[in-house]
Amino acid sequence: EVQLVESGGGLVQPGGSLRLSCVGSGFTFSSHWMSWVRQASGKGLEWVANVKEDGSEKYYVESVKGRFTISRDNAKNSMYLQMNSLTAGDTAVYYCARGQSRPSCSGGICNNWFDRWGQGTRVTVSS
Amino acid sequence: QSALTQPASVSGSPGQSITISCTGTSSDVGAYSLVSWYQQHPDKAPKLLIFDVTIRPSGVPDRFSGSKSGNTASLTISGLQAEDEANYYCSSYTTVNTVVVFGGGTKVTVL
Repeated sequence: EVQLVESGGGLVQPGGSLRLSCVGSGFTFSSHWMSWVRQASGKGLEWVANVKEDGSEKYYVESVKGRFTISRDNAKNSMYLQMNSLTAGDTAVYYCARGQSRPSCSGGICNNWFDRWGQGTRVTVSS
Repeated sequence: QSALTQPASVSGSPGQSITISCTGTSSDVGAYSLVSWYQQHPDKAPKLLIFDVTIRPSGVPDRFSGSKSGNTASLTISGLQAEDEANYYCSSYTTVNTVVVFGGGTKVTVL
């Protein structure tokens, strides 16, 4: 059974940092694009970032560029999101999501849907 | 403001069919056949229903179908069931400021 488990959320002050983790199991982690998608309370979904199967390509939504860094460690079946300079606008539940398996594809167009999701980890930015 | 526009709510009686629209632009929905749909029940993670406009992943009932015309994609739920009461989100690949954009979501109520 495919499972994605996020961790690392919590309460942080504005301007602070947080590192989220996602561990995958039940599938070949290294064969799939992986993404972070967030959802503020009572609001819709917002794609945040994704990373190619081998970590060689990374893409971000404009609002987090320069502040967030996505990475992965395929040996540990894990993906990470380093979040710096956090603001109240980053408050949300952050989901880890599995994308396509397209190792020969290059570019953001290679991953545009997500077929498995974790249960999410809540990030609250407040003083 | 979400990049893709969905109606805030749609309702229908059990057994009826309903359609949820998702309107984008020539930079996303209109340019690529890369529209997806997700179902989200309260306090649950989203579930993929449709990808690449019309394709259903294994295990998704054929009551769910997708289509696209111009800049507008649609999700149709046929034979509406009580368990279909949830929020539905569309998404699309885009070349403007991001890679994937979502709609604002549509709350489906089964009367």
